[in-house]
Amino acid sequence: NAGVTQTPKFQVLKTGQSMTLQCAQDMNHEYMSWYRQDPGMGLRLIHYSVGAGITDQGEVPNGYNVSRSTTEDFPLRLLSAAPSQTSVYFCASSRSGPGYEQYFGPGTRLTVT
Amino acid sequence: DAKTTQPTSMDCAEGRAANLPCNHSTISGNEYVYWYRQIHSQGPQYIIHGLKNNETNEMASLIITEDRKSSTLILPHATLRDTAVYYCIVRVAVVGGTSYGKLTFGQGTILTVHP
Repeated sequence: NAGVTQTPKFQVLKTGQSMTLQCAQDMNHEYMSWYRQDPGMGLRLIHYSVGAGITDQGEVPNGYNVSRSTTEDFPLRLLSAAPSQTSVYFCASSRSGPGYEQYFGPGTRLTVT
Repeated sequence: DAKTTQPTSMDCAEGRAANLPCNHSTISGNEYVYWYRQIHSQGPQYIIHGLKNNETNEMASLIITEDRKSSTLILPHATLRDTAVYYCIVRVAVVGGTSYGKLTFGQGTILTVHP
């Protein structure tokens, strides 16, 4: 198993550009989520999905869109990048239901200038 | 979710046990205590979790007080590779709904293991 993979590892955007951060998992997990981590801070939940076709907002959803067309993939779209979105983005997945640990990807380091 | 309080930083000598405390005095009966760690900006790594009873796995032990208002993560023989930020997280345990997956990360405890 590759676990949770994220691409790209690093990205630099100009203000106003759009892009998609990719996340994939090969563990057949129903639950997937996106977090962002700003310097010196803990992770904050952006969006999550409990299965294909079902998504919901987390703590800091503004400026981001998600969709879940397959169990394996959960892309995060930045519609119009802003310097405030400079952060490290982590994707996670787990089995459905409470009591299961979440597996995190290696992260995408995004800089918006 | 209940709020957790952890010390900002702790030190430990290599080979000794590292005991990381966490206060979660407002925890509900349907909430788990989870521990994750993050090594040098990598993705967080799951360590252990428990509801009421003490738990042990190959990485660590989790001791939860009888009133469930606090817990301690124990790394029995700390190594230099255990240097990381350790997060104590309280997470809902009820079946049903979609909130079960939400993890609320605080600042965590920076554990430094010295040679």
